[in-house]
Amino acid sequence: RKEVEQDPGPFNVPEGATVAFNCTYSNSASQSFFWYRQDCRKEPKLLMSVYSSGNEDGRFTAQLNRASQYISLLIRDSKLSDSATYLCVVNSMDSSYKLIFGSGTRLLVRP
Amino acid sequence: DVKVTQSSRYLVKRTGEKVFLECVQDMDHENMFWYRQDPGLGLRLIYFSYDVKMKEKGDIPEGYSVSREKKERFSLILESASTNQTSMYLCASSPAGSTDTQYFGPGTRLTVL
Repeated sequence: RKEVEQDPGPFNVPEGATVAFNCTYSNSASQSFFWYRQDCRKEPKLLMSVYSSGNEDGRFTAQLNRASQYISLLIRDSKLSDSATYLCVVNSMDSSYKLIFGSGTRLLVRP
Repeated sequence: DVKVTQSSRYLVKRTGEKVFLECVQDMDHENMFWYRQDPGLGLRLIYFSYDVKMKEKGDIPEGYSVSREKKERFSLILESASTNQTSMYLCASSPAGSTDTQYFGPGTRLTVL
């Protein structure tokens, strides 16, 4: 079983739609969770951290469910520029320096 | 702004060649990482370094080695390239004690023929 699992998609949605992605992680002792964004042929960049209480940044909301070991990302009022691959990331329990990346969920926002 | 640069965007090599991939960061970060990214597999950690001359194996170190002689530079070496090492290679850095943000370079698309 992969340590971090995501639905690869693609999720194909119209502009203005609300879309949500989930990600599951296998190690219940994991402490830190993140969403990274990767545009086509570009490097990954941190989108937002995921806190136990949930957090919101504009149109983006991230939630953590420790009991079920999943993380979610909600995007409201989708824009064409939101088209990208969204990577779910969890800290490694082997080393504090290491992050474990999911293989990503691809989002396509159409006009 | 953190800047991580990689020596080449695209590289084509032949089987058996020795390949050097260079990564330089300008933010005085202690930690540096090398990943490869393949479709459906995501980013997989090859090696990382938390200080000059220090290195640790990641999840897939076989067939690779690394060198960190200076704090700002982390090199990935393929001693004898093979076709299954055709991939996108991404370098990243982060400050000491950081458990969240890693800053990535633009990547090197390596093709081994």
